Amino acid sequence: DAGITQSPRHKVTETGTPVTLRCHQTENHRYMYWYRQDPGHGLRLIHYSYGVKDTDKGEVSDGYSVSRSKTEDFLLTLESATSSQTSVYFCAISDQGAANEKLFFGSGTQLSVL
Amino acid sequence: SQKIEQNSEALNIQEGKTATLTCNYTNYSPAYLQWYRQDPGRGPVFLLLIRENEKEKRKERLKVTFDTTLKQSLFHITASQPADSATYLCAPEGVVDTGRRALTFGSGTRLQVQP
Repeated sequence: DAGITQSPRHKVTETGTPVTLRCHQTENHRYMYWYRQDPGHGLRLIHYSYGVKDTDKGEVSDGYSVSRSKTEDFLLTLESATSSQTSVYFCAISDQGAANEKLFFGSGTQLSVL
Repeated sequence: SQKIEQNSEALNIQEGKTATLTCNYTNYSPAYLQWYRQDPGRGPVFLLLIRENEKEKRKERLKVTFDTTLKQSLFHITASQPADSATYLCAPEGVVDTGRRALTFGSGTRLQVQP
């Protein structure tokens, strides 16, 4: 998966607990993205980053925060997990961030919030 | 609001036939449209990109058309094989809440090719 590693691959947690998902890339791409994928909704953008310490919100950012302290790492945090955040989370990367540029995706993290 | 429609029902075809998947979009004027393949338990993988001034794009057994008047893209796989069985995602360029132009994704159509 183009040098993208997501961890953990699976996580089960309880409502109200904090959760952090990690995305690590070895491609030195500038842009990194977090998406969630739910049945019937397609992939929806949560947050993205266009450089170290530079992040912006996507279409479904409520309840999520992100951080990027190094080019290769992009963290997604659920401050207080809710059952509606049960989903498959994908990290993606691109070099220029343009809409005509293809995205490379990680293998995903299956998160279950009970 | 922007909306992407892909057939949520699985498409079942026989090996060797041509599979045609449809992507319709509303309230969009994408300059680009991409198609991705997704296998179970894996992330999407890029297949093809087509620009608004291109009517058709081909790559090996794959062909994509882009009709900006109909607001539709068709994705064809000729001489289909069981290994083509996967979910295919349409991704037109759209506008996200921040006003930035970015890819937006449909929920995909699952293709099952029977041997």
